[in-house]
Amino acid sequence: KAGVTQTPRYLIKTRGQQVTLSCSPISGHRSVSWYQQTPGQGLQFLFEYFSETQRNKGNFPGRFSGRQFSNSRSEMNVSTLELGDSALYLCASTTTPGVVTDTQYFGPGTRLTVL
Amino acid sequence: AQSVTQLDSHVSVSEGTPVLLRCNYSSSYSPSLFWYVQHPNKGLQLLLKYTSAATLVKGINGFEAEFKKSETSFHLTKPSAHMSDAAEYFCVLFASGGSYIPTFGRGTSLIVHP
Repeated sequence: KAGVTQTPRYLIKTRGQQVTLSCSPISGHRSVSWYQQTPGQGLQFLFEYFSETQRNKGNFPGRFSGRQFSNSRSEMNVSTLELGDSALYLCASTTTPGVVTDTQYFGPGTRLTVL
Repeated sequence: AQSVTQLDSHVSVSEGTPVLLRCNYSSSYSPSLFWYVQHPNKGLQLLLKYTSAATLVKGINGFEAEFKKSETSFHLTKPSAHMSDAAEYFCVLFASGGSYIPTFGRGTSLIVHP
């Protein structure tokens, strides 16, 4: 079974631009979560989607948004990029949200650099 | 509020010696605790998880962890380190009764010397 895939793997943008990252979960997984990883703040939860609905949202500004499609693929968008948005963005999928006995499987991440 | 503290940002061991990575947690609800490993330029891989069953949890690659409620700890151990164990390790808390938003520790970098 294929793992979680994220595209693109690397991205360079300039301040003020916007960016869209994509995540394809493991087949059969309907829950997708997004995380931001930076050296300064560590790993932080962005949001979680299940059945095309956002279930939970972390403490990030409204510039960060996401959506999920009917095939469970998810995208996240960051508008008006700031230097501090440079990070590794990780996506994780699981079968059932809110069930901690279900393992979250992580993708390799998208490395975003904002210049 | 819940929190996770990984007590060491770096741990250095020699190959073949034991590994101990320390994790303390704080939660108002019954915790579920996970250890993940991240190799360079890779995503996180689950090593093991505690979800209120046995307090001694065995994971992959010879790792195990013991949940100690009285000490609010969930330390990760391995009897004998291998060079391939060099990576970043994260302790993660989910608290039932809450919103199931995970709380991550800051990570411990495990360095293995030959």
